[in-house]
Amino acid sequence: ETGVTQTPRHLVMGMTNKKSLKCEQHLGHNAMYWYKQSAKKPLELMFVYSLEERVENNSVPSRFSPECPNSSHLFLHLHTLQPEDSALYLCASSQGGAGEQYFGPGTRLTVT
Amino acid sequence: GEDVEQSLFLSVREGDSSVINCTYTDSSSTYLYWYKQEPGAGLQLLTYIFSNMDMKQDQRLTVLLNKKDKHLSLRIADTQTGDSAIYFCAESKGNDYKLSFGAGTTVTVRA
Repeated sequence: ETGVTQTPRHLVMGMTNKKSLKCEQHLGHNAMYWYKQSAKKPLELMFVYSLEERVENNSVPSRFSPECPNSSHLFLHLHTLQPEDSALYLCASSQGGAGEQYFGPGTRLTVT
Repeated sequence: GEDVEQSLFLSVREGDSSVINCTYTDSSSTYLYWYKQEPGAGLQLLTYIFSNMDMKQDQRLTVLLNKKDKHLSLRIADTQTGDSAIYFCAESKGNDYKLSFGAGTTVTVRA
């Protein structure tokens, strides 16, 4: 595997379900990100981890819970989501805070 | 208003040049990026330019930066059908992990 990978690529879940999104980067970077991309809205930064410490949390509802067990892996745990949470969730990584960010292919999430 | 602004749509004939424009508001921006997103895919980093440069060329891509007017453009020479995608401009202010993205320009290449 190369670059940034995300699983699953597609996810349909009910509002009472609990699921997790996984991201893995194979670039040796030390920072990882979660973004939300909704139709007709700019890309929204959700969380940033640097050296496994959370450095940014952009007023994201607590039904989204990130986890970064090491610098190569990032998870987004989901529970009791709302239909408006349906979106493309993108993971990215970079080397430091000024380095260019490389994105994964995204997980298309549909909440029913 | 938005920190980074782009026009929403561009239609171009195959073989012509495409020019995608972007304006930003923060004069302290250090890096400016162009990303490409094809349908059903993530964002692919195309190129970037440091704020002390005014031009960068990479094969068919030319980035022009007018720092005085806070204007960035991406020119794609000899546009092909595979260039149809959404193109995002983004700015970084330095070592703070934040990229500010524009809303994206949808480029459609017609035969």
